[in-house]
Amino acid sequence: GAVVSQHPSRVICKSGTSVKIECRSLDFQATTMFWYRQFPKQSLMLMATSNEGSKATYEQGVEKDKFLINHASLTLSTLTVTSAHPEDSSFYICSARPADSYEQYFGPGTRLTVT
Amino acid sequence: AQSVTQLDSHVSVSEGTPVLLRCNYSSSYSPSLFWYVQHPNKGLQLLLKYTSAATLVKGINGFEAEFKKSETSFHLTKPSAHMSDAAEYFCVVTSPNTGNQFYFGTGTSLTVIP
Repeated sequence: GAVVSQHPSRVICKSGTSVKIECRSLDFQATTMFWYRQFPKQSLMLMATSNEGSKATYEQGVEKDKFLINHASLTLSTLTVTSAHPEDSSFYICSARPADSYEQYFGPGTRLTVT
Repeated sequence: AQSVTQLDSHVSVSEGTPVLLRCNYSSSYSPSLFWYVQHPNKGLQLLLKYTSAATLVKGINGFEAEFKKSETSFHLTKPSAHMSDAAEYFCVVTSPNTGNQFYFGTGTSLTVIP
């Protein structure tokens, strides 16, 4: 149980385009989802926290207009990287937390490469 | 405030020898602690967790960790390393008084020498 999927697993896009990453909780309802970014050989950096049906809360230094997060249902959150640039290339990982739980269940990650 | 310190950025062991990955935490409230493993270009897999029950926690793949409140430590151990254990390991702390946000350590890269 508690499986989280991400799609796509890898994406290559051209500079200036936008790309959407999906995060789904497959067998539970996630009232809260988290988006992390991981640079090579580094730890996970929390980008934002999203609660179903409300606006995401972004961490300091994360541009909310660049990284659009939508959490429209209890099983799906999306991260859209708008007007992507090479410096946005990274490994993006989502996690999902059920109601009345403190645990987070992590997705397999999405490797974004901007050329 | 909460934080996690992983004392070693890299650990190298020979196959068949014990593994020790160190983690110290800082928390002003009763913490929950986790160890995750990450293989290259993969997501995080939960190895084990401590949630105020038994202080010695057994996880998957032969790993275990002991919660020591007096030392604010939660070190990860395994009696005998396997080649497949080579990966990145993250220690995580969370508690209710910080909204259950996960605080990650900087990670320890484990190399297993054949």
